[in-house]
Amino acid sequence: EDQVTQSPEALRLQEGESSSLNCSYTVSGLRGLFWYRQDPGKGPEFLFTLYSAGEEKEKERLKATLTKKESFLHITAPKPEDSATYLCAVPNFGNEKLTFGTGTRLTIIP
Amino acid sequence: DAGVIQSPRHEVTEMGQEVTLRCKPISGHNSLFWYRQTMMRGLELLIYFNNNVPIDDSGMPEDRFSAKMPNASFSTLKIQPSEPRDSAVYFCASSLEAGSADTQYFGPGTRLTVL
Repeated sequence: EDQVTQSPEALRLQEGESSSLNCSYTVSGLRGLFWYRQDPGKGPEFLFTLYSAGEEKEKERLKATLTKKESFLHITAPKPEDSATYLCAVPNFGNEKLTFGTGTRLTIIP
Repeated sequence: DAGVIQSPRHEVTEMGQEVTLRCKPISGHNSLFWYRQTMMRGLELLIYFNNNVPIDDSGMPEDRFSAKMPNASFSTLKIQPSEPRDSAVYFCASSLEAGSADTQYFGPGTRLTVL
């Protein structure tokens, strides 16, 4: 059964303090890994898709990387507006169903 | 594009009542997904459609839940009768290409409270 584990569960950083969020996965044949951002009271907002080990994608202060067993979301010099829950998800083998992790709740303190 | 549209945004009802949640996917998208999110269980897929046809409803909790997609621009999720344990946020998502692990775009959700 496909599994996705995110760590840490919650992370508090000072503004400007860089860090990384982890997403470990176990799937039968990786067909991509998705990162989403979710603000309170809103739906998940798509950030990145990574398809193969070694791939990297960037968007503003965020950079996502992928290995054969995990993905990292690096946050460089974060700002308070980066505070949100970050979710990762992988497609199940043979269909379009996504298995989501439980998310990392990130708080950036001014 | 307006994105995925859901209505109502909030619903408060009493146990035993019928609840209908509505979703309009992004125009041109061929797959539609219904999710439920709770603090305890996170995001769970309930059912998804490809080209208006239900493909997998294994996540639907029980027979009280039903979903339809009468056309490419509209879907409903119905709970009858509703129970307090159904209280959650329900999300609809759509993706462009059916039959592949395409990016899913989520709506704003419907927060359901069953008293």
